[in-house]
Amino acid sequence: GESVGLHLPTLSVQEGDNSIINCAYSNSASDYFIWYKQESGKGPQFIIDIRSNMDKRQGQRVTVLLNKTVKHLSLQIAATQPGDSAVYFCAESGGSNYKLTFGKGTLLTVNP
Amino acid sequence: KAGVTQTPRYLIKTRGQQVTLSCSPISGHRSVSWYQQTPGQGLQFLFEYFSETQRNKGNFPGRFSGRQFSNSRSEMNVSTLELGDSALYLCASRGGTTPVVAQYFGPGTRLLVL
Repeated sequence: GESVGLHLPTLSVQEGDNSIINCAYSNSASDYFIWYKQESGKGPQFIIDIRSNMDKRQGQRVTVLLNKTVKHLSLQIAATQPGDSAVYFCAESGGSNYKLTFGKGTLLTVNP
Repeated sequence: KAGVTQTPRYLIKTRGQQVTLSCSPISGHRSVSWYQQTPGQGLQFLFEYFSETQRNKGNFPGRFSGRQFSNSRSEMNVSTLELGDSALYLCASRGGTTPVVAQYFGPGTRLLVL
């Protein structure tokens, strides 16, 4: 049958604003989570990761929050810049599973 | 340190042909994973190799295969190509020996099947 393209959630922000990108996961056994950024024509670029024994981790201009109770992950980008425009994916793995399971992605557009 | 490299970057094939894609991991990384990315299905895991052994496999038909060499370089092969195999094929390498270590991706090989 005909394949249907993924409907990506979109987020549009003004330059300098803070951005929050959300992700829900389903596997309660997942114990490792990663956020990736993918620009057009490029492979996913690692942003930040977090293990399930943590609920918050900060990087440079980015913060990841993990709520295991509701199986929710978020990526906060401070002072968003035009160069942050991209598709952002969350990914999870669990236990001895070496594969990453990716979310659908969110398209972030930063308006100058 | 150089990143993950993939060759070729672009490839056009016709139905029924086969194709081999190559991936060189980050120096010192022994784990290589392959993913397929399409607009319809997103990013899907194909397989993972560590020390020349396939350690994990996704839900793809047997037409998709791979291997890893002693220098950790990896190849994936798709035989009897179908139109639906058109996709961006991504390789990722991991430096640690446990799943809780980040994977770093290459730029991908964009395959078009006509």
